[in-house]
Amino acid sequence: QKEVEQNSGPLSVPEGAIASLNCTYSDRGSQSFFWYRQYSGKSPELIMFIYSNGDKEDGRFTAQLNKASQYVSLLIRDSQPSDSATYLCAVDSQGGSEKLVFGKGTKLTVNP
Amino acid sequence: ETGVTQTPRHLVMGMTNKKSLKCEQHLGHNAMYWYKQSAKKPLELMFVYNFKEQTENNSVPSRFSPECPNSSHLFLHLHTLQPEDSALYLCASSRGQGLNEQYFGPGTRLTVT
Repeated sequence: QKEVEQNSGPLSVPEGAIASLNCTYSDRGSQSFFWYRQYSGKSPELIMFIYSNGDKEDGRFTAQLNKASQYVSLLIRDSQPSDSATYLCAVDSQGGSEKLVFGKGTKLTVNP
Repeated sequence: ETGVTQTPRHLVMGMTNKKSLKCEQHLGHNAMYWYKQSAKKPLELMFVYNFKEQTENNSVPSRFSPECPNSSHLFLHLHTLQPEDSALYLCASSRGQGLNEQYFGPGTRLTVT
């Protein structure tokens, strides 16, 4: 059973701080890695995807991938109260297939 | 309409009813998905369609019946559901062919009484 593990949190950070969200996955063949943000009562929204080892930056968000350690993270710089949400990590399950496996999500609270 | 739309947004049905959920994507994608999201559980993939062909059935009970008439439309037909089927049902789409960034619709909140 392919698995994606996330710390369920809640993770609480003050406004302006860096929030660090972590995810590990079990399938060494995985090639695509995604971060979704889900506000309470809403559907998941894709905010980052990464395919290669290293860092990928988009505005205040940085995704980091380490395939050797089977680890992917999301950093949110200058956290805002509007970043308060549940963050879902997703990984493709069959090396490039359309099937994604999701973690349970980490709930982030940014305190003003 | 843009993105992925779903109707209805909320549905209450009895265990003997038959209803259908509808999803439409306006992104020119080729793959469509049904997911179930229950409290305290990760998103569960139910079905995958790629160029209208079903490529994944994740051991879903037969009381859930998908239909994909074309690459833009996806239905989930429901009959004789159980209370434990109450959940948020999410539709998603992607370009397919290994380009698998998935974009979700707003979901249908289903309550089975």
